[in-house]
Amino acid sequence: GAVVSQHPSWVICKSGTSVKIECRSLDFQATTMFWYRQFPKQSLMLMATSNEGSKATYEQGVEKDKFLINHASLTLSTLTVTSAHPEDSSFYICSGAVSTYGYTFGSGTRLTVV
Amino acid sequence: GESVGLHLPTLSVQEGDNSIINCAYSNSASDYFIWYKQESGKGPQFIIDIRSNMDKRQGQRVTVLLNKTVKHLSLQIAATQPGDSAVYFCAEGGGGGNKLTFGTGTQLKVEL
Repeated sequence: GAVVSQHPSWVICKSGTSVKIECRSLDFQATTMFWYRQFPKQSLMLMATSNEGSKATYEQGVEKDKFLINHASLTLSTLTVTSAHPEDSSFYICSGAVSTYGYTFGSGTRLTVV
Repeated sequence: GESVGLHLPTLSVQEGDNSIINCAYSNSASDYFIWYKQESGKGPQFIIDIRSNMDKRQGQRVTVLLNKTVKHLSLQIAATQPGDSAVYFCAEGGGGGNKLTFGTGTQLKVEL
């Protein structure tokens, strides 16, 4: 089946630095990729929707200058958390739209900002 | 705004019993619903889905029921096993690559 490979699985960074998270579609072309954030014991909250070759669409309340999304190819989408702060510590998950009603999720990235 | 919610945050069942996890949704325009299982530290895993033109769909040990009249979705797990212990989310969407809205989640605990 369709697989999205997400890396890194976990990362610790210092406050003020930037972190890049990558999601690669291994056996399908991810025209659309969704990025979610999940705090402990909470649901997945959609941050943004990215379409290959165009600017991402951010959900209300999500700072586009802080969470930079690049979707330059059909197999790679990246999320960069810029100038990270402790409140950005969370579990970030990407999801690729495989088909009209199909979605596949990455394994997630645990970000801890110290 | 539109939201998808769950009635029970935690559900404890005995191994071998059947589990029922419920979900209420508010967007009457949603035409596609999915149940996901999420284990600690992992991404969501697809369990079963249903289109709005259906009331029931069965898979292996799982059944999803959709009641559009009261905007209610449920997941039934037959003969619950310890490996079923996880958080379960319902999600709704419009299909066609549209975004999904996730419910609040239910922690399923299977007791031996």
